[in-house]
Amino acid sequence: DIQMTQSPSSLSASVGDRVTITCRASQNIINYLHWYQQKPGKAPNLLIYAASTLQSGVPSRFSGSGSGTGFTLTITSLQPEDFATYYCGQSYGTPTFGQGTEVEIK
Amino acid sequence: QITLKESGPTLVKPTQTLTLTCTFSGFSLSTTSMGVGWIRQPPGKAPEWLALIYWDDAKRYSPSLESRLTITKDTSKNQVVLTMTNMGPVDTATYFCAHTYSLRLDAFDVWGQGTMITVSS
Repeated sequence: DIQMTQSPSSLSASVGDRVTITCRASQNIINYLHWYQQKPGKAPNLLIYAASTLQSGVPSRFSGSGSGTGFTLTITSLQPEDFATYYCGQSYGTPTFGQGTEVEIK
Repeated sequence: QITLKESGPTLVKPTQTLTLTCTFSGFSLSTTSMGVGWIRQPPGKAPEWLALIYWDDAKRYSPSLESRLTITKDTSKNQVVLTMTNMGPVDTATYFCAHTYSLRLDAFDVWGQGTMITVSS
């Protein structure tokens, strides 16, 4: 299996902050990397697919970058509704997810 | 608009077989490039992918669970069924089905609400 490692595992931030979450793959996954947001008691919601393509309906303050083994999710100007857990996931091999990054209110 | 909904028992006894049904609308599983996957998430943990079935009936399974899983589709009913044998307490989780599309590199772009399955005697 391809292992996905996210960092940090949690972070505290304020409304308006710029937030960056990284995801590293154990092998080259080209751009088969996706980002999901999950709020308590809800299903994950796709934010970005193919490393950098914004899913329809997702605010433009979310962006993704990277290729190969290193990827980044950036949220510019964090909003109250963005406090959630974020997961990266790859679909190059057997699909796997990172362990998650919880974004908390500072 | 694509929607999916999981259905099945909420409580399963150890060693029993779990059967989950995903009923969907807004797309057809006979359309090229479409797929439906199953993912589970134990309380407080990350999601874990289980299985995927494609429009052409191709199937993929998690290598660690493959011997226990079977995924099938009924295109006429817009349903995908997952069976998991020999359930144990470690299988307690919320089980989701989700839509995939190969042109989005098989990202899970629409998810069902999930169904919580507890394994206990």
